[in-house]
Amino acid sequence: EDQVTQSPEALRLQEGESSSLNCSYTVSGLRGLFWYRQDPGKGPEFLFTLYSAGEEKEKERLKATLTKKESFLHITAPKPEDSATYLCAVQGTNAGGTSYGKLTFGQGTILTVHP
Amino acid sequence: EPEVTQTPSHQVTQMGQEVILRCVPISNHLYFYWYRQILGQKVEFLVSFYNNEISEKSEIFDDQFSVERPDGSNFTLKIRSTKLEDSAMYFCASSAGLALIYTQYFGPGTRLTVL
Repeated sequence: EDQVTQSPEALRLQEGESSSLNCSYTVSGLRGLFWYRQDPGKGPEFLFTLYSAGEEKEKERLKATLTKKESFLHITAPKPEDSATYLCAVQGTNAGGTSYGKLTFGQGTILTVHP
Repeated sequence: EPEVTQTPSHQVTQMGQEVILRCVPISNHLYFYWYRQILGQKVEFLVSFYNNEISEKSEIFDDQFSVERPDGSNFTLKIRSTKLEDSAMYFCASSAGLALIYTQYFGPGTRLTVL
């Protein structure tokens, strides 16, 4: 069974204070690792897809990296508008080696950035 | 930018009643999903749907649940006899395909409250 664990559960930063969020995973046949942002009462908003170890993706102040066991979301010089819950999800293969798109999510990291 | 839409945004129902949650996926997408998120918990996969058939479903998706694509644009989730524990945010998602890893885009959600 695929499992995703995110840490820390909550992170409070001052504006401009860079940090990293961690996503540890176990999955049979990783097909992709996804980062989403979720604002209160809203649906997950897509940020990045990572496919293989060593891959990196960047978008504005965010950079996602992937190893064989974990992924990091690095936040450089965050602003208050970056405050949200950041979700990590994996898509693996089933016992037959196929995938029908099921995403397994972690519990998220609640990021608060103070001005 | 194309987006997934969901109606209603909030549904209140009595225990034992039937509810239908509606979604309009992104127009050229072929794969459709339902997820739910109980307050304070992880986003959980319910079902994936392709070519008018269920591709995969979770243990949560029992006989009380059904999905349908009644026309070329809508995708629905029906809960036949709601229980208190069905209270959650329900998210619809869609993706363009599966052959490569296609990102799932989520709707804003329907908050279901069962009294």
